Amino acid sequence: DGGITQSPKYLFRKEGQNVTLSCEQNLNHDAMYWYRQDPGQGLRLIYYSQIVNDFQKGDIAEGYSVSREKKESFPLTVTSAQKNPTAFYLCASRLSRTEQFFGPGTRLTVL
Amino acid sequence: DQQVKQNSPSLSVQEGRISILNCDYTNSMFDYFLWYKKYPAEGPTFLISISSIKDKNEDGRFTVFLNKSAKHLSLHIVPSQPGDSAVYFCAASEINAGGTSYGKLTFGQGTILTVHP
Repeated sequence: DGGITQSPKYLFRKEGQNVTLSCEQNLNHDAMYWYRQDPGQGLRLIYYSQIVNDFQKGDIAEGYSVSREKKESFPLTVTSAQKNPTAFYLCASRLSRTEQFFGPGTRLTVL
Repeated sequence: DQQVKQNSPSLSVQEGRISILNCDYTNSMFDYFLWYKKYPAEGPTFLISISSIKDKNEDGRFTVFLNKSAKHLSLHIVPSQPGDSAVYFCAASEINAGGTSYGKLTFGQGTILTVHP
């Protein structure tokens, strides 16, 4: 079945450590996105990529980095520079001009 | 600055009645609007959308209304069912200066809908 896989579902990190969240899609979509969700807030865009080897900052890119070496993969690294990394992270790919298809998410907790 | 706002954090309705979820936006460049439904610890799923050239779009029990002059849209669910209980997000897509879209979505804060049996 086609879809988006995010792993792990739950991730714990010590302060000062970098951590990488995985996002893989087999939908053959060109564009991929990373969002962050905090309690009581909507989804906020971190980074997005329209094509392989190209990506742009979203609204809250500070403290995060991404790569897009393959069409299927768009990993997100949460660096130690991110001051408040505990959140629910969602990866999406672009189905059409407007609709985005979301993965199941990764809950990151900083201990 | 919150460009898409859902001012009601929660809504509670009785099964069989109508649920109306509201959304306001400030950016005049938004030209497409979507509603997503989300369960806890899961990714959002697409529900329904509307282009700015329309004022209504219907899909089964779900209807979205757009009032461009008021920069307001609403989602109507009729009849509401207990399985509709979830968080509903309004989202908007913007055309860039070149007349295309990067597919970036701006989301509201969400409204928690609870449908009681």
